[in-house]
Amino acid sequence: DVKVTQSSRYLVKRTGEKVFLECVQDMDHENMFWYRQDPGLGLRLIYFSYDVKMKEKGDIPEGYSVSREKKERFSLILESASTNQTSMYLCASSSSGQETQYFGPGTRLLVL
Amino acid sequence: KQEVTQIPAALSVPEGENLVLNCSFTDSAIYNLQWFRQDPGKGLTSLLLIQSSQREQTSGRLNASLDKSSGRSTLYIAASQPGDSATYLCAVDKTSYDKVIFGPGTSLSVIP
Repeated sequence: DVKVTQSSRYLVKRTGEKVFLECVQDMDHENMFWYRQDPGLGLRLIYFSYDVKMKEKGDIPEGYSVSREKKERFSLILESASTNQTSMYLCASSSSGQETQYFGPGTRLLVL
Repeated sequence: KQEVTQIPAALSVPEGENLVLNCSFTDSAIYNLQWFRQDPGKGLTSLLLIQSSQREQTSGRLNASLDKSSGRSTLYIAASQPGDSATYLCAVDKTSYDKVIFGPGTSLSVIP
């Protein structure tokens, strides 16, 4: 079975802190994605990556950056956390040509 | 810009009923459409994927149909069970690069 893991289920940070959210997949997938999910707004794509060291902006990249140094790991970075970044963050991966995305369990981030 | 809507936003049915969830999209030039299930506080699980050339897909008690020309998809759940209670999201993919657009979801509650 495909497994996508995220480093934390719950995270509490203070405004201005640098936050790292880690995502690891064990199926050698080329594609990886970071979404945030908010009530009434649904899932919105922040960044995605089709290959190691490659990244593309999604629909709401402002305030975020990403890193993909290894194929299995895709990190989301909040350089200076703000309260409006309180959200549920979901990571996903897929294999090129397979199309189905596999999601991690999510990280619920609270920024105080 | 592709927009995806889902009706109803919430649905409550007694156990054993057959039900239909609706998904609409504004741009019919899609590569595929997927239905996902999300349990509270958790990630998404892919249920069915319909390629643009297909009309429907079935998995157990679930049947999803696709009408590209009208920009609609339906998810039919037969003989609903309390374990079906979850949020159901549809997502459309415009290209083969897996950058999908999600609908807001339908929250389903099946009452024993």
